[in-house]
Amino acid sequence: QLQLRESGPGLVRPSETLSLTCTVSGGSTFNSNYYWGWVRQPPGKGLEWIGDIFHTGPTHYNPSLQSRVTISVDMSKNQFSLKLYSVTATDTGIYYCAGRDSISSTTFYSWGQGTLVTVSS
Amino acid sequence: SYELTQPPSVSVSPGQTTSIPCSGDKLEDRFVCWYQQKPGQSPILLIYEDNKRPSGIPERFSGSNSGNTATLTITGTQSMDEADYYCQAWVSPAVVFGGGTKVTVL
Repeated sequence: QLQLRESGPGLVRPSETLSLTCTVSGGSTFNSNYYWGWVRQPPGKGLEWIGDIFHTGPTHYNPSLQSRVTISVDMSKNQFSLKLYSVTATDTGIYYCAGRDSISSTTFYSWGQGTLVTVSS
Repeated sequence: SYELTQPPSVSVSPGQTTSIPCSGDKLEDRFVCWYQQKPGQSPILLIYEDNKRPSGIPERFSGSNSGNTATLTITGTQSMDEADYYCQAWVSPAVVFGGGTKVTVL
């Protein structure tokens, strides 16, 4: 069964870059059945899609974040990563990595446990 | 940009049926998924492709999608169903989530 686990710093200073990695187990980032991506949740608020990547490289990004986001995949390590640039306090929240079905383009079948990132000086 | 609208909260008595609407323009033309999220936990998939249940999801959860509204129905609500529920769709080129509905079992 596919398992995802996020890792990265829990504290990021304003204006700096948030960097997270998701390690995939029980499956492969070569798997063409999935887009590999990120969803975040500000404290006490709802889910917000950040973006995702297909193993061959095409990416989709939330238009509201597109100018500040890069998602990449490292198939040799079975990992994919998120970089969010020029962060502010509004980027504080729980960040989930997730696998989205590439056939229906809709369903997030697998989610990581989430990691809390706080933006503060 | 495309929006999915859910009521912020609903209340239901144990054993009763509750329905959570999710509205969006011509939503019936898109597949809709539903997720349940309990405090401190990751979302879990309840319904995919409008009305399909993954293995392990109880039959009391069902989904439908018609016109501009998708609906999650919980039949015979249990106290363990108290949680936040999110609808979600793919509206190319973006994933869209509804704002979430908090279900309280009184």
